[in-house]
Amino acid sequence: EVQLVESGGGLVQPGRSLRLSCAASGFTFDDYAMHWVRQAPGKGLEWVSGISWNSGSIGYADSVKGRFTISRDNAKNSLYLQMNSLRAEDTALYYCAKGSKKRVVSNLYDYWGQGTLVTVSS
Amino acid sequence: QLVLTQSPSASASLGASVKLTCTLSSGHSSYAIAWHQQQPEKGPRYLMKLNSDGSHSKGDGIPDRFSGSSSGAERYLTISSLQSEDEADYYCQTWGTGIQGVFGGGTKLTVL
Repeated sequence: EVQLVESGGGLVQPGRSLRLSCAASGFTFDDYAMHWVRQAPGKGLEWVSGISWNSGSIGYADSVKGRFTISRDNAKNSLYLQMNSLRAEDTALYYCAKGSKKRVVSNLYDYWGQGTLVTVSS
Repeated sequence: QLVLTQSPSASASLGASVKLTCTLSSGHSSYAIAWHQQQPEKGPRYLMKLNSDGSHSKGDGIPDRFSGSSSGAERYLTISSLQSEDEADYYCQTWGTGIQGVFGGGTKLTVL
C-alpha cells in the first residue's frame, strides 16, 4: 500500500524558515518523480515544486522560486521542501504527491499525502 | 500557456447523475488530464486519467459510477447514482513537457 506522510509544518514568523518532509512507502521511491502541492485556506490546489526520480530535473512555481528548495534522499525514501523567507501568502496545507509513471518527468499524480499545515504569521 | 478552466460549482440530487467539465486552453486540445477528488477536510484522491480520445484509466478502488469522456478541448467527469459522499471538490490536472503541474480552479459539487 502506497503511503505518503508529510511532517514539519507549524507556525512560523514571516521571514523565517521551515523544512517539510514526506516519508514514502509501498513503492520503489527512486523510480518516480515527486511533487509538492499546496492549498491555501479556502482555495484550490497549487503546484509548488517537483523533482524527478534522480533529481536531474527540478522545477518551481514562480511564486516560490528563489525561496524554496526541493530535494530527495532515495536511500531514505524521503522528499523534502526547504522553505526560506516565508511570507503570509505561503500559509497553506502542503501535500506531497507521487508521479504516476516510472522514470517520467512529467505526468499525473496518483497518490497524495494528508498534508502538513504551514502558518506564517507574526 | 497551458491553462485548465472549471466551473466553480455544480449541484445534483441524490441518486442522479452529474457531468463536470474541464476545458483545456487553446492549442492544447490533445492533452490528457487527471481528475482528483477532495472530500471535506481530506487530502486529494486520484480518480482517473482521461485521454483526448475519451479513453480513461481509473485509480485503485474507484467505483464504476465514475467515468470520463472527452470532446475537443473539453474533458468531462460523470458521476452516476450520486451518493452523499460524492459531495466534494473536483480538480482537473494536466502537465506539459517539463516537471511543472497545472491545476484547474476546482468545482465544488453539492449533492442535494
